[in-house]
Amino acid sequence: AQKITQTQPGMFVQEKEAVTLDCTYDTSDPSYGLFWYKQPSSGEMIFLIYQGSYDQQNATEGRYSLNFQKARKSANLVISASQLGDSAMYFCAMREGQGGNEKLTFGTGTRLTIIP
Amino acid sequence: DSGVTQTPKHLITATGQRVTLRCSPRSGDLSVYWYQQSLDQGLQFLIQYYNGEERAKGNILERFSAQQFPDLHSELNLSSLELGDSALYFCASSSRPTGNSYEQYFGPGTRLTVT
Repeated sequence: AQKITQTQPGMFVQEKEAVTLDCTYDTSDPSYGLFWYKQPSSGEMIFLIYQGSYDQQNATEGRYSLNFQKARKSANLVISASQLGDSAMYFCAMREGQGGNEKLTFGTGTRLTIIP
Repeated sequence: DSGVTQTPKHLITATGQRVTLRCSPRSGDLSVYWYQQSLDQGLQFLIQYYNGEERAKGNILERFSAQQFPDLHSELNLSSLELGDSALYFCASSSRPTGNSYEQYFGPGTRLTVT
C-alpha cells in the first residue's frame, strides 16, 4: 500500500485564487510528521511546511497552511492568493521513526500551474 | 539557499563506470540523508548518516555506498553504473536527533546521466 498518496497529478489555478493540494497518508506509528516540498523547474527541493502528529494546531508559514485531519489521515496543503511563481511540482512527504532514524517517504507529486 | 551544498551539479559518464557525489550539510547539522529522484521510481530514500555512523537504510543498491567524514561532509559512491542509475541525487541535512526540528533541508542535487 502507498504510504503517501497524492491523487492530483496536475492542477491549473487562476492567479490570486487559493489552491488546495491533496495528500493522504498511511502509518501505524503514533509519532510521525508530514512535510510539503516545492520543486520548481530548476530542480531544487524547497521546504515549505511541517506538521507533527502531536501538534495541536495546523501549521502555517506565510501563504502556506497545512490542513491536518488526523482521523482522516490527510494533510492537505493550502496556498492562499496564488502567484505565478507558485507554478512547480509539490511533494507531500512523511517522516516515520524516532531517535534520529528519520527517512522521508514521498508521494508522486502534483504539478501546479498558475494561470495569469 | 538551503545551506546544503552538493558537487558536481551535473555528471555524465558511461555504463560500468564509478562516480562519487559529494555533499556538505548545513552548518551545525549532524544528519545527512541521500535521496534518488528518477522518472520511474520517483523520490526514494537511500541512506542516512548521523555524525559519521550509518543510521537508516532505504532502497540502496549494493553497488552504491556512502560515508560521512569527521568534518560531516558525505560522499555517495555509485559503481558499475547502469543506464537506470540516471537520476537526480539529492543530499539533505537536519539537526536531528540532537535538535528538535525535524525539517530536512535539501541541496541543489547532482544530475547523473549514464550513457
